[in-house]
Amino acid sequence: DAGVTQSPTHLIKTRGQQVTLRCSPKSGHDTVSWYQQALGQGPQFIFQYYEEEERQRGNFPDRFSGHQFPNYSSELNVNALLLGDSALYLCASSAGLGIYNEQFFGPGTRLTVL
Amino acid sequence: QQQVKQSPQSLIVQKGGISIINCAYENTAFDYFPWYQQFPGKGPALLIAIRPDVSEKKEGRFTISFNKSAKQFSLHIMDSQPGDSATYFCAPSKAAGNKLTFGGGTRVLVKP
Repeated sequence: DAGVTQSPTHLIKTRGQQVTLRCSPKSGHDTVSWYQQALGQGPQFIFQYYEEEERQRGNFPDRFSGHQFPNYSSELNVNALLLGDSALYLCASSAGLGIYNEQFFGPGTRLTVL
Repeated sequence: QQQVKQSPQSLIVQKGGISIINCAYENTAFDYFPWYQQFPGKGPALLIAIRPDVSEKKEGRFTISFNKSAKQFSLHIMDSQPGDSATYFCAPSKAAGNKLTFGGGTRVLVKP
């Protein structure tokens, strides 16, 4: 049983460019959340997708957008990249939004903006 | 506004010793109190979690103690092993499947 997978593993972009990160949830999971983890800090919640809709959003600008597909996989898009967007981007999946629906994290995508 | 404060930032403990990490939160709507373990180059993994209807939960060498009135919960790692060397995060939430609010992390180093 594959866990949460993310691609690519590493990515280098320059300021002003756009990037798309991808996540496949754990088998049986229908909810995907994205987090940003700056070096030496705890992950920060970006947004969560359930039934192909954005259900919750953290304190991130509109440059951060996402999408969930019918097979529950998800994409995170970041436009007009800034140096401060350099971070590890984590995807987490769960079987719903409820009190018992534990989130499982993928290994992350390391984004470096030059 | 920093909703979740974790202490200490780092911890060095001898093999066989006890590691204690504390987490203080402000949001009284939180109803799920987990600790995550993260190794370098990996995503966080759920270690142990507690709900507010109990004050303590033990799983193997790991124990969570919860104090609802003080809005604090802690992680105790008994008989610490070198393999426990990792960064630990508290991440309270309204529900397990809901938005997790992570603390700043505690880097634990267990010396052999």
